[in-house]
Amino acid sequence: GENVEQHPSTLSVQEGDSAVIKCTYSDSASNYFPWYKQELGKRPQLIIDIRSNVGEKKDQRIAVTLNKTAKHFSLHITETQPEDSAVYFCAASRGGSDSWGKLQFGAGTQVVVTP
Amino acid sequence: KAGVTQTPRYLIKTRGQQVTLSCSPISGHRSVSWYQQTPGQGLQFLFEYFSETQRNKGNFPGRFSGRQFSNSRSEMNVSTLELGDSALYLCASSLVPSAQGEKLFFGSGTQLSVL
Repeated sequence: GENVEQHPSTLSVQEGDSAVIKCTYSDSASNYFPWYKQELGKRPQLIIDIRSNVGEKKDQRIAVTLNKTAKHFSLHITETQPEDSAVYFCAASRGGSDSWGKLQFGAGTQVVVTP
Repeated sequence: KAGVTQTPRYLIKTRGQQVTLSCSPISGHRSVSWYQQTPGQGLQFLFEYFSETQRNKGNFPGRFSGRQFSNSRSEMNVSTLELGDSALYLCASSLVPSAQGEKLFFGSGTQLSVL
């Protein structure tokens, strides 16, 4: 089955700097890669996702890149702000209209943005 | 539109007991997934239901079971509780199965403590 590894487990950045979180996946058939953000005491929420037919996707200060050959994808947060402090989870699955594949999550990255 | 509702919010049980957790998905969502969240372990997939049928199951013992009703509400049951079952149990709903690239909406979770 799919296995997703996420690094680093913790990331401390100065406000205004960039943060990068990397995930690798094992199943070459995986084609859907979402990122979820979980603030302390709150539920996870989708912040961005990418499909395998796209190499990069941006949404304001966040972007995700995908390298299918190397089987890894990354989350980039630019101009970090204190409200970006949270745990970020990557995930991967073999999506498709008839797919019943599991959405496999990484272990999470605790991001701390210091003023 | 009401979000995903999980009840109860907190549960305290003793070893050997059983527990039932409930999840009401967003209206119109037919897929419900369950995840176990523990510190350092991220989100571990338990199972996913779609149209009252279990479509996928994670690597958990048979003590963990679930079901989905015709109104898409779901319950999960854990029998013969062990100390290691202490965790936050998150339910998530989506229009169609999550692996098909559909955004997951998470509930606030049920915090289970086994003494």
